[in-house]
Amino acid sequence: AQSVTQLGSHVSVSEGALVLLRCNYSSSVPPYLFWYVQYPNQGLQLLLKYTSAATLVKGINGFEAEFKKSETSFHLTKPSAHMSDAAEYFCAVSDPGGYQKVTFGTGTKLQVIP
Amino acid sequence: DAGVTQSPTHLIKTRGQHVTLRCSPISGHKSVSWYQQVLGQGPQFIFQYYEKEERGRGNFPDRFSARQFPNYSSELNVNALLLGDSALYLCASSSTLSTDTQYFGPGTRLTVL
Repeated sequence: AQSVTQLGSHVSVSEGALVLLRCNYSSSVPPYLFWYVQYPNQGLQLLLKYTSAATLVKGINGFEAEFKKSETSFHLTKPSAHMSDAAEYFCAVSDPGGYQKVTFGTGTKLQVIP
Repeated sequence: DAGVTQSPTHLIKTRGQHVTLRCSPISGHKSVSWYQQVLGQGPQFIFQYYEKEERGRGNFPDRFSARQFPNYSSELNVNALLLGDSALYLCASSSTLSTDTQYFGPGTRLTVL
């Protein structure tokens, strides 16, 4: 069974500071990994995805994540936080060889302090 | 091109009633998946349909059912509603069976009183 663990349900950063959202995964096969963002009362928007190509993945809005197999981690970073980054972020994992089931973490709410 | 659309946007029902939620995938996409997102939690997988056949089912009771139509749109049905069914129901479409091409709709907010 696959799972993801997001460390920290709430993260606060100052505007302009580094954003680091942590995600560790568990999977019996090489996984696909995703980061999604959800703004209040909206659906999910894909930020970036890892599908076994480059381990450093660049996404939209200046976010990037690095797949580290040895640490089973896929942490999300952004060098400089903007007020518009305040949202909830979900890490997710899926089995490339299975059906289209994506398993999500419990989410991390990012607060950006002016 | 239009993205994934879902209807209705919001819905209020009472316990014991039945509800039908609808999803229209992105044009050309043949796969639709449904997720339930309870407030404060991450989405949970309910069903996946591809080419009108069920390809995957999550850990949900038989009160939950779905189908996909020839035009690839989909319905999610929930019978005998419980208070715990209150959630945001998300639909995602994809051109293939792979999860790396999945796009989410805005969701339907269901409130059960």
